[in-house]
Amino acid sequence: QVQLQESGPGLVKPSQTLSLTCTVSGDSISSGTYYWNWIRQPAGKGLEWIGRIYMSGNTAYSPSLKSRITILFDTSKNQFSLELSSVTAADTATYYCAAAQRAAAAPRSYHYYMDVWGKGTTVTVSS
Amino acid sequence: EIVITQSPLSLPVTPGEPASFSCRSTQSLLHRNGYNYLDWYVQKPGQSPQLLIYLGSNRASGVPDRISGSGSGTDFTLKISRVEAEDVGVYYCMQALQTPPITFGQGTRLEIK
Repeated sequence: QVQLQESGPGLVKPSQTLSLTCTVSGDSISSGTYYWNWIRQPAGKGLEWIGRIYMSGNTAYSPSLKSRITILFDTSKNQFSLELSSVTAADTATYYCAAAQRAAAAPRSYHYYMDVWGKGTTVTVSS
Repeated sequence: EIVITQSPLSLPVTPGEPASFSCRSTQSLLHRNGYNYLDWYVQKPGQSPQLLIYLGSNRASGVPDRISGSGSGTDFTLKISRVEAEDVGVYYCMQALQTPPITFGQGTRLEIK
């Protein structure tokens, strides 16, 4: 079973770039089994999908964050990463990485559901 | 962007009693292939979200059969037939038909009376 672990600085200054890494174990990040996602959650609030990457390098980003996001692979380390530039206090949140696999019970759907999540890492944007 | 609205925001339930969660979308989540692209997640206290239901009505691996999902188009329901103490948490529905972005509802908090 694949497992995920987020890592990165807990504190980032306003206007700087937030960089997080998700380390994957139990499967190769380039196996093609999963889409690799980032989701965030401000304290006491709901979930916001940030974006995802596939083994082909194909990415999809939330339109509201697209101008500030980059999601990348590092196959040598079996990791994927999130970079969020020009951060403000509004970017303070717990950041989760999640693996989405294809719904094998519904192959015609081509649906990928997020069934593996990391424990999350809390990032505070403050000077 | 598809907007998802959940109700109620808070749901107090006595153990052993049923619970019902509503999820509505601003656009139909029914694809022409017959599938509804609506998933349900629960976030238990201090934990990461976990998948309960995918494509509207398919239980994820390990989810007990007292939890079920139904609905089509713009209206969906998650039901717990007999609530247990371990069910406490926030329940989110999520649409994956028109992406990006994937969008979540604001969540319904299940509390034990």
